[in-house]
Amino acid sequence: EAGVVQSPRYKIIEKKQPVAFWCNPISGHNTLYWYLQNLGQGPELLIRYENEEAVDDSQLPKDRFSAERLKGVDSTLKIQPAELGDSAVYLCASSLDGGAQETQYFGPGTRLLVL
Amino acid sequence: DAKTTQPPSMDCAEGRAANLPCNHSTISGNEYVYWYRQIHSQGPQYIIHGLKNNETNEMASLIITEDRKSSTLILPHATLRDTAVYYCIVRVGDNAGNMLTFGGGTRLMVKP
Repeated sequence: EAGVVQSPRYKIIEKKQPVAFWCNPISGHNTLYWYLQNLGQGPELLIRYENEEAVDDSQLPKDRFSAERLKGVDSTLKIQPAELGDSAVYLCASSLDGGAQETQYFGPGTRLLVL
Repeated sequence: DAKTTQPPSMDCAEGRAANLPCNHSTISGNEYVYWYRQIHSQGPQYIIHGLKNNETNEMASLIITEDRKSSTLILPHATLRDTAVYYCIVRVGDNAGNMLTFGGGTRLMVKP
C-alpha cells in the first residue's frame, strides 16, 4: 500500500513568488493534515481537513497561505507571495478519521527554500 | 495538551538497548502518551502509544510510571537505522481533533 505522497520534494523560489505543494493521502483516509517544520524544531499543525472541510485552520497564516481539498482526497497548500521566513519543510499527514487515537501517517515532506 | 520534557540528545551503542526518557508531570487522566520518530529527511513515523499500562510492539516498548508523570521508550536492540529524532507527545484521548503537538524531541545517535 502506498503511503502519503507529496510533491515536489524540493522547491527553490525567489521571494514574492507563489508556490504550491501537493499531497495525496493514503487511500481511504478521511482526515488530512498540513504541518510546517522549521529547521531543528518539531512539526507544527497548519490545517486539518475532515473530508473536504477544513475543521482546524487556526494556525494557518491566512494573509498569504491557502489550502484546499476539493474532492476530499488530494490537497494543495499554496503560499502567495512567499517570504524568506517561509523556508521550511511542509509535511502532509493523513489518518483514517479524526479520532484521537488514530495514527497519523506522514509523507516525506516538501523542502522549500525562499531566496 | 500536557507539555513534555525530553533530553535534547542521547547516544547509544549499536546492539544495546536505547532508553529514551520523557517527563509529562502535568498529564491528565484522559491523556495518552505517544511516541513518534523522524529519520533525517523523512516525515515523522508512529512508534507506539499508551495510557497507563506498559505497551510493546514490533518496534519498541513503552514503560509508563504508575503516577503517569514520566515514561520511557525502549528500543531493545538499537541499530544504526534507529538514529533519528524521537518525539514524546501527550494527547487528549477523546475526539478532540487528533492534533499532535511536537516538542523538540531527543536526537538519538546510534554508534557502531
